[in-house]
Amino acid sequence: GENVEQHPSTLSVQEGDSAVIKCTYSDSASNYFPWYKQELGKGPQLIIDIRSNVGEKKDQRIAVTLNKTAKHFSLHITETQPEDSAVYFCAASEVRGNTGKLIFGQGTTLQVKP
Amino acid sequence: DSGVTQTPKHLITATGQRVTLRCSPRSGDLSVYWYQQSLDQGLQFLIQYYNGEERAKGNILERFSAQQFPDLHSELNLSSLELGDSALYFCASSEKTGRLRLDGYTFGSGTRLTVV
Repeated sequence: GENVEQHPSTLSVQEGDSAVIKCTYSDSASNYFPWYKQELGKGPQLIIDIRSNVGEKKDQRIAVTLNKTAKHFSLHITETQPEDSAVYFCAASEVRGNTGKLIFGQGTTLQVKP
Repeated sequence: DSGVTQTPKHLITATGQRVTLRCSPRSGDLSVYWYQQSLDQGLQFLIQYYNGEERAKGNILERFSAQQFPDLHSELNLSSLELGDSALYFCASSEKTGRLRLDGYTFGSGTRLTVV
């Protein structure tokens, strides 16, 4: 089945700097790649997603890029703010078996220092 | 409020006991997914139901079982509990499933299970 690797596991940046989180996936048939933000004590919340027919998507300070050939995708956060501090998860949708379930990376703990 | 309701929010129980976690999906969502999140661990897929039928199984222990009822709510049953079962258990829902589902899940706020 699908396998998703995420790096780095922790990331510390100064407020205003950019943060980049990278993920690789194993199944070339995967067609949907969401990113989730999980704050302490809460459930993961979808922040941006990208489909396999698109190379890049932006939403204000957040952008995601997808390289299907290399099977990797990245989350870019610009002008980071302390409220961006959280755990971020990438995921890939498992197409084989027709379940549509999401396979998650191990998560990245982002700390934005004021 | 995400629209996915999980109860209870917290549960403390002793080893060897059995508990039931409940999830009500977002209105209109037919698919329910259960995930386990242990300390410093990612989200491990347990099981998926779609419109009452089991669709996929992940690394779910034999001591664990789940079902989805006609009103689409789902229950995750954990029995013969061990200390290592202490974790956050999340339920998520989506409208579609399979290749048709090209949108993210909506997660509930989770049930924190502590086994003592």
